[in-house]
Amino acid sequence: AQKVTQAQTEISVVEKEDVTLDCVYETRDTTYYLFWYKQPPSGELVFLIRRNSFDEQNEISGRYSWNFQKSTSSFNFTITASQVVDSAVYFCALSGNTDKLIFGTGTRLQVFP
Amino acid sequence: GAVVSQHPSWVICKSGTSVKIECRSLDFQATTMFWYRQFPKQSLMLMATSNEGSKATYEQGVEKDKFLINHASLTLSTLTVTSAHPEDSSFYICSARDLGGVGMNEQFFGPGTRLTVL
Repeated sequence: AQKVTQAQTEISVVEKEDVTLDCVYETRDTTYYLFWYKQPPSGELVFLIRRNSFDEQNEISGRYSWNFQKSTSSFNFTITASQVVDSAVYFCALSGNTDKLIFGTGTRLQVFP
Repeated sequence: GAVVSQHPSWVICKSGTSVKIECRSLDFQATTMFWYRQFPKQSLMLMATSNEGSKATYEQGVEKDKFLINHASLTLSTLTVTSAHPEDSSFYICSARDLGGVGMNEQFFGPGTRLTVL
């Protein structure tokens, strides 16, 4: 069975702090994809990143960075120098052979000025 | 590119009525579309997978007679909530997979439809 765990339900930080959102996954598929989505209060999902299981290189995109560690089945997301506009719910998701997306329960990030 | 629209964006209806939600891929063809439901402060739960020209595949626990899905073309899938009740109030989100895209397993999400049943 596939599963995504986001243990942090809610995180509050003050602007300019760095914050890391944890994601741990379970799958028996040898080929799989991991995703991060942002859901602002408007509700629309914003795609942030997709990573396949064969690419363990960490990625940086502006203030965002992702750390993929197959050894610990984790795909953590770090926001550097957080801003109020980063306030949202962030979902980690997993897709394997079936193409179905399995979402974690989400982490609500609140960034205070 | 890869834009998915949903209509309506929100709807309020009386208990017992049926509501149809449309999901369209605007600039690409999608053989597969997915329907998700999200209750307040909860995660997205896959309801069904819709394939163009064939019957939808429903997830366990989702009533296929209550949530009718039609995927009549490569750019349109509809979800009809039949005889809606207050417990069906939720945020319904569709996604579409690009037939010809290079994005493996990538789904493009619509903006969602907020359904409130009185």
